[in-house]
Amino acid sequence: GPKVLQIPSHQIIDMGQMVTLNCDPVSNHLYFYWYKQILGQQMEFLVNFYNGKVMEKSKLFKDQFSVERPDGSYFTLKIQPTALEDSAVYFCASSLDDNYAEQFFGPGTRLTVL
Amino acid sequence: GQGVEQPDNLMSVEGTFARVNCTYSTSGFNGLSWYQQREGHAPVFLSYVVLDGLKDSGHFSTFLSRSNGYSYLLLTELQIKDSASYLCAVRWPNYNVLYFGSGTKLTVEP
Repeated sequence: GPKVLQIPSHQIIDMGQMVTLNCDPVSNHLYFYWYKQILGQQMEFLVNFYNGKVMEKSKLFKDQFSVERPDGSYFTLKIQPTALEDSAVYFCASSLDDNYAEQFFGPGTRLTVL
Repeated sequence: GQGVEQPDNLMSVEGTFARVNCTYSTSGFNGLSWYQQREGHAPVFLSYVVLDGLKDSGHFSTFLSRSNGYSYLLLTELQIKDSASYLCAVRWPNYNVLYFGSGTKLTVEP
């Protein structure tokens, strides 16, 4: 079936550094999402993105977070600067449109902030 | 988030069945999805329900009662490989945002 890819699978960085998480969504999908899952806890919505704009974001999407998809390349989540509480697995998802129920998820990027 | 609740763990026996329950806040409800997630892997979509009743998809069936804010995922003829976490996610009518429960870890024993 359609697959969402995420690069890298793991990332370890020092607190205060910048990190960029990359997502390659399903090719014909138009809506993109980031979710955050802290170990042992539920997956939580961060942000969704359509037509070059953030459509909805949660309170977890701090000012240090930004998303973009320049020229149809990777859909990225940038955190600058990082904090210890940003350590989590970040899942990217995509869907055909906002009326389509199925979101396809990537395998996640495990981010560890030291 | 948004009051989506699931039991943490569930155990069952190979060849029998398992029912994974999910309750949610009914305000603004616009559909509910079930995902399977194995450790270290992406959640995999199983089913989406928006109307009351039982939706039979073979190995997986899903039930919804909107007035009670309740859904379940029913797995029949369990196999060892069905051991995984099952996530309930409620969709509210704002750009297809999913609010997940904490997931139920199903263990299928021989």
